[in-house]
Amino acid sequence: DGGITQSPKYLFRKEGQNVTLSCEQNLNHDAMYWYRQDPGQGLRLIYYSQIVNDFQKGDIAEGYSVSREKKESFPLTVTSAQKNPTAFYLCASSRDWNQPQHFGDGTRLSIL
Amino acid sequence: AQSVAQPEDQVNVAEGNPLTVKCTYSVSGNPYLFWYVQYPNRGLQFLLKYITGDNLVKGSYGFEAEFNKSQTSFHLKKPSALVSDSALYFCPRGGNTGKLIFGQGTTLQVKP
Repeated sequence: DGGITQSPKYLFRKEGQNVTLSCEQNLNHDAMYWYRQDPGQGLRLIYYSQIVNDFQKGDIAEGYSVSREKKESFPLTVTSAQKNPTAFYLCASSRDWNQPQHFGDGTRLSIL
Repeated sequence: AQSVAQPEDQVNVAEGNPLTVKCTYSVSGNPYLFWYVQYPNRGLQFLLKYITGDNLVKGSYGFEAEFNKSQTSFHLKKPSALVSDSALYFCPRGGNTGKLIFGQGTTLQVKP
């Protein structure tokens, strides 16, 4: 079945450590997105990519980095510069700008 | 700036009764509007979208929404609620970059 796979489901970060969240899709979608979800808030856009080898900052990009070397993959690195990284991270993809986004089941990141 | 608002943090309804989850949008730009549902610790699932055309949009699982330009609203409705409809609902708006702008979401509780 086609879909988006996020791994790991749970992740723990030590102080000063960078961690990378994986997002893979087999839907042949061009566009991919990373969102952050905090309790009681909606999703906020971190980064998005409309095509391979290109990506743009979203509303809360500080402390995060991404790459888009392959169409299927859009990993997100949470760097030590992100001082409040505890959140639920969601990856999504879409075929085009006006098409629905398909979401993965998220990675929950916590601080040790 | 483009935005959406979900004025109710929680909606309670009895099983079998009709349900409405409210959403309003800011007037600026073309309002490309979506409804998604999120179950605990899961990603978002697409229900329906309005880009252009008929104001009444039918979606998945018996849900529908009506685009009302004069009231700048896009309320989600279902004639008969199920306990399994209990979840968190979002009505983000999109634009021609594919970016979605989210409100805080509305928790729907359907009681047996």
